[in-house]
Amino acid sequence: DAKTTQPPSMDCAEGRAANLPCNHSTISGNEYVYWYRQIHSQGPQYIIHGLKNNETNEMASLIITEDRKSSTLILPHATLRDTAVYYCIVRVGGYNFNKFYFGSGTKLNVKP
Amino acid sequence: NAGVTQTPKFRVLKTGQSMTLLCAQDMNHEYMYWYRQDPGMGLRLIHYSVGEGTTAKGEVPDGYNVSRLKKQNFLLGLESAAPSQTSVYFCASSYGVASGMDQETQYFGPGTRLLVL
Repeated sequence: DAKTTQPPSMDCAEGRAANLPCNHSTISGNEYVYWYRQIHSQGPQYIIHGLKNNETNEMASLIITEDRKSSTLILPHATLRDTAVYYCIVRVGGYNFNKFYFGSGTKLNVKP
Repeated sequence: NAGVTQTPKFRVLKTGQSMTLLCAQDMNHEYMYWYRQDPGMGLRLIHYSVGEGTTAKGEVPDGYNVSRLKKQNFLLGLESAAPSQTSVYFCASSYGVASGMDQETQYFGPGTRLLVL
């Protein structure tokens, strides 16, 4: 049960903004949305996370809809090095453990 | 800081052989995790640990055992390898729930590629 739905692939022109959508319609009130990316077969790399509010860091911006049923990861100026699989993850909390549900991700192809 | 390291990087086993994968982290994280990733799929949790001396089962624990004797190390064992365990194994660590709900970012190692013939 991946808890998130993402398009399998997307293309983006180098220098343009990449907007990666994610649907998490069954998310509960205290469950965070995380984004990771995986370049080639390296270990997943943390990008950003949020609960309700939009978030921005040096890598990306995360826009979460008011009903929290979907979100969008924005890479403001995509470069060729941003080509990777991007995972939208819902973190489900337990008593002493939070489980990350990984789906199949979106393969972002940044083209020159 | 090296972050999360994994050894070995690559291994070939014959069916029935055993091996241990080692994960080490130098971030003083309480929690550690083992995942496997099969082609075209996301990561699935095998086992995890919420502190030294503790372990717990994840989604796909069968055929694997783990130990956390030291806070910085998390070992994944395969007692009798099977071809279905051919996969890429990732270790991760995080501060843990006690550090606050906003401190659960998991940091991943580079992975171990395992081929079971």
